[in-house]
Amino acid sequence: DTEVTQTPKHLVMGMTNKKSLKCEQHMGHRAMYWYKQKAKKPPELMFVYSYEKLSINESVPSRFSPECPNSSLLNLHLHALQPEDSALYLCASSWSFGQGAYNEQFFGPGTRLTVL
Amino acid sequence: KQEVTQIPAALSVPEGENLVLNCSFTDSAIYNLQWFRQDPGKGLTSLLLIQSSQREQTSGRLNASLDKSSGRSTLYIAASQPGDSATYLCAVHTGANSKLTFGKGITLSVRP
Repeated sequence: DTEVTQTPKHLVMGMTNKKSLKCEQHMGHRAMYWYKQKAKKPPELMFVYSYEKLSINESVPSRFSPECPNSSLLNLHLHALQPEDSALYLCASSWSFGQGAYNEQFFGPGTRLTVL
Repeated sequence: KQEVTQIPAALSVPEGENLVLNCSFTDSAIYNLQWFRQDPGKGLTSLLLIQSSQREQTSGRLNASLDKSSGRSTLYIAASQPGDSATYLCAVHTGANSKLTFGKGITLSVRP
């Protein structure tokens, strides 16, 4: 099973709402990633978790709060977002993070977020 | 800082044509290179991964080559089909943390 799942597929929220995005993989991967992608742009890395610990935070605003409850699950908690945060949020996973061969990244289908 | 370039940004070809998509990168010290496909509004599908020690990888009608010393990779698509229409992104793993650096992608349209 080389699948990364993400829920929900679509999310519309107001600027005062609190919501969460969920990502799950059952490939035994120990690295998980959040990316943000705006229309007609490549994905931008937000966070990396390696062995359930936050390894990279690409200077993301605190209104985005990641969480890795276990090796299969990755959440992104959203609070007080701005309309410019509207984008496709992609989750990815790989065997490991860092140097080496086993870091082919597999992406989920994404969550289309609209902030009103 | 690694930079990945994909030119042209868009390409339109008739069905059945063999085509080559180009990718170039500025720092040749990469661990590997991945080609992805993305359909509109969807996630990324990994097509091929080439390790830095490899010259090429093949999967079905796709063949990807890597010339690390010159900072170039190509994705060859044989006998293109309308279903191949999508955006193709090239990404390289570079640096101590082996982060992915993406190109802006090439949007391919295959005309029936």
